[in-house]
Amino acid sequence: DAGITQSPRHKVTETGTPVTLRCHQTENHRYMYWYRQDPGHGLRLIHYSYGVKDTDKGEVSDGYSVSRSKTEDFLLTLESATSSQTSVYFCAISDRGQGNQPQHFGDGTRLSIL
Amino acid sequence: AQRVTQPEKLLSVFKGAPVELKCNYSYSGSPELFWYVQYSRQRLQLLLRHISRESIKGFTADLNKGETSFHLKKPFAQEEDSAMYYCALPHILTGGGNKLTFGTGTQLKVEL
Repeated sequence: DAGITQSPRHKVTETGTPVTLRCHQTENHRYMYWYRQDPGHGLRLIHYSYGVKDTDKGEVSDGYSVSRSKTEDFLLTLESATSSQTSVYFCAISDRGQGNQPQHFGDGTRLSIL
Repeated sequence: AQRVTQPEKLLSVFKGAPVELKCNYSYSGSPELFWYVQYSRQRLQLLLRHISRESIKGFTADLNKGETSFHLKKPFAQEEDSAMYYCALPHILTGGGNKLTFGTGTQLKVEL
């Protein structure tokens, strides 16, 4: 398995609280991604990073922000969590940007917003 | 816009029976395609990619451009094949990297 660690693995919090999820990689890969997984939707891209301090939005970015201050760490922040953000969040990494380069995924963070 | 369709939410087969998990895509151009597998509460793992044309765990997938399909097949299902399977289509992003467009997934259940 690729060296990807997500923390925390599980979190329960209340509506309106800030939440930060961390993705840490030991592969020195340039590209990092955050997806959410929901029944009936598969996985959808939230934000991605193509280098330190270089990030961009995915298809479901509203309510989320990200930061990447080091190659190995990619943080996802929910500034004010809502119940609709209850989901399983996956971090992924890839080495090159070519279309045939697959992504490798972390174990996921199960987030519940009450 | 690119799209991936997996029409079956659940596919139930008996052990030893053939398996076909359907995937259709919408993409202008020559696509790359992946199959990912997710065993219960585990991370997604790359199972197959179109470009390598390899067989992993007895699974194969052929790209059919005429039918815009990339169905996953296995001649004899095993109990350990029970998992969620996702078909995914990569798309190059501004700034590099690629976005994966996933289908909604098919849960394969292999019964004894």
